[in-house]
Amino acid sequence: GESVGLHLPTLSVQEGDNSIINCAYSNSASDYFIWYKQESGKGPQFIIDIRSNMDKRQGQRVTVLLNKTVKHLSLQIAATQPGDSAVYFCAERTSYDKVIFGPGTSLSVIP
Amino acid sequence: DGGITQSPKYLFRKEGQNVTLSCEQNLNHDAMYWYRQDPGQGLRLIYYSQIVNDFQKGDIAEGYSVSREKKESFPLTVTSAQKNPTAFYLCASSSSDRVTEAFFGQGTRLTVV
Repeated sequence: GESVGLHLPTLSVQEGDNSIINCAYSNSASDYFIWYKQESGKGPQFIIDIRSNMDKRQGQRVTVLLNKTVKHLSLQIAATQPGDSAVYFCAERTSYDKVIFGPGTSLSVIP
Repeated sequence: DGGITQSPKYLFRKEGQNVTLSCEQNLNHDAMYWYRQDPGQGLRLIYYSQIVNDFQKGDIAEGYSVSREKKESFPLTVTSAQKNPTAFYLCASSSSDRVTEAFFGQGTRLTVV
């Protein structure tokens, strides 16, 4: 069936270092892949998305990489800051109006 | 100040009672969604609506009901048929041409005792 999963449930990173959060997906027909950030007690916030015909997209301090050969998605955060501490979800759009979320990775930034 | 508002933030109910969670948006978005989040887990889709007076079941619709009588509002009713209703409920909306960029409310934490 359709599923989106994560390789690492928790990640600790030193402040100033780069963070890499990984995600595996199984639905080859998904046309968009998305990253969301969720801070404690709040709703998720959109970070960045990437269309399935791209392999890289950059935003402000973030880069998303898509490897369709191995069905792998990653989010890279440059110069990680304490404010980046949160749970990060990858998600995929499996049909025009349906988005499936993965289980999440908790990122903890060590000052 | 545009956004999506869920109320209340915390809700307690006795087992066997129906309860309705409110979700309102002033972003003029066509699409609205309800997700359920359990501790340490991702979001699971309950119901979604692309247009007024129309909605579709998500992956875990059993025990829930919704209505979409107005574009701005998408209330969710957790019925007594829902076996494990205690959870964090999130409402979201998106424009029809940017479905991937959903805007979420702050969530309602429902506890059924």
